[in-house]
Amino acid sequence: EADIYQTPRYLVIGTGKKITLECSQTMGHDKMYWYQQDPGMELHLIHYSYGVNSTEKGDLSSESTVSRIRTEHFPLTLESARPSHTSQYLCASSEPAAGSDEQYFGPGTRLTVT
Amino acid sequence: LAKTTQPISMDSYEGQEVNITCSHNNIATNDYITWYQQFPSQGPRFIIQGYKTKVTNEVASLFIPADRKSSTLSLPRVSLSDTAVYYCLVGPLNNNAGNMLTFGGGTRLMVKP
Repeated sequence: EADIYQTPRYLVIGTGKKITLECSQTMGHDKMYWYQQDPGMELHLIHYSYGVNSTEKGDLSSESTVSRIRTEHFPLTLESARPSHTSQYLCASSEPAAGSDEQYFGPGTRLTVT
Repeated sequence: LAKTTQPISMDSYEGQEVNITCSHNNIATNDYITWYQQFPSQGPRFIIQGYKTKVTNEVASLFIPADRKSSTLSLPRVSLSDTAVYYCLVGPLNNNAGNMLTFGGGTRLMVKP
């Protein structure tokens, strides 16, 4: 069982609010990822990190930002939420040195912006 | 990164063997083939990974022909609980060069009673 956690699991918030989605892993993995997925649709990579103080944008443009101050923590922030941000956000981590670079996913945060 | 093509959806019945094929014509020499499974409202889960020939684990088998331009995920004797989306990913491991694997649309497998 992967030790990767996301909070909150569900969030309903009004337009214009600032929100931070939390993601933590206790496996010591260097690589971490944020994906966005609408119901029944593709997973889109929006941010990733190779390690502390490393962050990169993914293949889908996103208005969110991320930080990686500690290995185990990779929060995602939306400065001003909009209805178009309504989606499921999935966090994952992997350890390239382990061989397969298998990604372990958290349970996700389902965000609704009203 | 190699582009992959999979069927959008497949139907099967309980107890049957299911084979899902992924095409990756421009696979590179150092690329591996990885399959993930995703249930509704959950994150994907790693199933199997291979480079060439055949790989088998307790969940599935992965067949890769010599030219590596395609691969087939084989699920033996599926059950209703195997209903999920299956993703084929192709790319190098330990890639810190800025190119990240993409999940694509996947294959939606429906197992019927």
